[in-house]
Amino acid sequence: SQQGEEDPQALSIQEGENATMNCSYKTSINNLQWYRQNSGRGLVHLILIRSNEREKHSGRLRVTLDTSKKSSSLLITASRAADTASYFCATPTTGGTSYGKLTFGQGTILTVHP
Amino acid sequence: SAVISQKPSRDICQRGTSLTIQCQVDSQVTMMFWYRQQPGQSLTLIATANQGSEATYESGFVIDKFPISRPNLTFSTLTVSNMSPEDSSIYLCSVIPGQGSYGYTFGSGTRLTVV
Repeated sequence: SQQGEEDPQALSIQEGENATMNCSYKTSINNLQWYRQNSGRGLVHLILIRSNEREKHSGRLRVTLDTSKKSSSLLITASRAADTASYFCATPTTGGTSYGKLTFGQGTILTVHP
Repeated sequence: SAVISQKPSRDICQRGTSLTIQCQVDSQVTMMFWYRQQPGQSLTLIATANQGSEATYESGFVIDKFPISRPNLTFSTLTVSNMSPEDSSIYLCSVIPGQGSYGYTFGSGTRLTVV
């Protein structure tokens, strides 16, 4: 199966609640990235966590990385309707002819109801 | 980080025709990537385009179907040739970031519908 699998596939919550999305990957990584996509448009980079980091914060975002389990989670606290989007994890290839290539997870569709 | 202008933003095309998508970057970048996102799916890499060399295609994608040009360090085009309804997707270009902790930058996407 594809590197970077995510769950849940879809998440529906009320404004003010927290949203947690999980991602698993298969190979060794230097970093893992999370992106947001609104309505099938371009992707926006949210946060990057390096393989030697366990947790990282950016505003209402909290990302964790467990390299022993090859998994990561993205937590959005105090969600807003504007957070409604698809969220993807992605890992870059680190060497060889595929250097720099991003492999994406299947994504989580988050819907935040006002 | 870089800013990418991608055109067109959307198009509806007849089967059998071709569409060329352009990406202009506001700074010089070595590597540019082209992705396809089929309806309801994640992103799949089509090819990597380096200036001055042939593009490197991923398994399942061929140059005759998706020719790519990379004439300089700020510009690239992807052509979707001899289109069929199965080519209806969002196509995105992306550039590798510079030093630091920034993520990759993506164009705004081209939503292609083939009828």
